[in-house]
Parts: sequence; structure tokens; C-alpha cells
Amino acid sequence: DAKTTQPNSMESNEEEPVHLPCNHSTISGTDYIHWYRQLPSQGPEYVIHGLTSNVNNRMASLAIAEDRKSSTLILHRATLRDAAVYYCILSGGSYIPTFGRGTSLIVHP
Amino acid sequence: SAVISQKPSRDICQRGTSLTIQCQVDSQVTMMFWYRQQPGQSLTLIATANQGSEATYESGFVIDKFPISRPNLTFSTLTVSNMSPEDSSIYLCSVAAGQGRYEQYFGPGTRLTVT
Repeated sequence: DAKTTQPNSMESNEEEPVHLPCNHSTISGTDYIHWYRQLPSQGPEYVIHGLTSNVNNRMASLAIAEDRKSSTLILHRATLRDAAVYYCILSGGSYIPTFGRGTSLIVHP
Repeated sequence: SAVISQKPSRDICQRGTSLTIQCQVDSQVTMMFWYRQQPGQSLTLIATANQGSEATYESGFVIDKFPISRPNLTFSTLTVSNMSPEDSSIYLCSVAAGQGRYEQYFGPGTRLTVT
């Protein structure tokens, strides 16, 4: 699977937007971009996925660069419950995610 | 989406024994997966559990150590055999669901400690 690069950690204040970046410069044409998050002491939770176009759902928005070499997960208003490890994953045309280290998001009240 | 439950939620086991972890899904799914998450680490895929055939194991994982059963489309078990302290981890099952099966849903995990 193609590799992704994410910052180890990011911090945000409650009720502010959060932009979590992900670089995937070796992405192939069939790779979907997936985001999962893992809250403390829980299993990972699906957040969103996309291929080329930006995507929105009730949890977040996914902005995909035109060349697809990077993407950004956008949490529109961070809450304390959004504190988690966020994983950006390329699926390589399959639906079996390979998890990297992810970004640990800290949300300050 | 899919709702997944696992049993047990946690266990403390002695070296050399085996533990079987159960995974139950609230709907029929084709693909079920087993992951391991060692302390402070990310998730590592152990195997894909196929209904009606043998599981497909990832590099570094073997059937003798991690036998898997998949008797139907809603249930699977993972056994951790002949345990050692290095097997202390969280074990998670997941399923592929959603449109195009590009969404994975995870169980809450089984926290295993081997003494």
C-alpha cells in the first residue's frame, strides 16, 4: 500500500475548526483515501473516505488536493469528544486499511 | 453501519494457555478481520476470516498460533494459542460494510494480559 505521512500530534481549542493534514505523494489512481479515528480505550471508528472529489458527512469534511497527493480532514467545530488518534489511510483499491501511527489530536477546553 | 460485540472484553491469562475471543456482528457480512494493537502502537492486521474457507493470514502470523473460525456470516473466533507475555495486546475484530464495502467497523476490542 502507498504510504501516508501525518504529523504526530496537533492541538486545538474547543469549538474551533481543526484541519488535519495528510501527505500521500505516491498515491495511485485506484487508491481511496480513508480517515479513521480511535478514541481512548475504543476500537477505531470510520470517519470518511473519498477518491477525487471533496466529501462531507455528519462527522467531518474531506478536502482532497487536485493532484491527490495530499488531503485534509476538517472538523468544523472541535469538541472535547473529538480528542483521538486520527489515521489517514490509502486502501489500494481494496477495503482492508493498513494503519500507520496517525495524528494524536488534543482538544483544549 | 454494523454493530460488533466482542467477548471477553478483557482477560488475564497465564503463560502457555490459550484464549478464544468471540466476535458477533448484528448483520451478515462477507469480510471479517482480526487486528492486534500492542501497547502504545497502531493496529496490525492478523488475518482475514473467510466464511466457508480457511482464514488468510498476514506476514508474521500463522494459523497454529492464531487459529480462526468463521462458521457463518455473523460470527468469528480468534484463538491466541500457547500464550506468552509478548501476546499481551488488544485484539479487535472488524467488518467491511457500507457502500462498496469501503467502510470498516470495529468491535470494542479484547484487552489481553499474559502473565
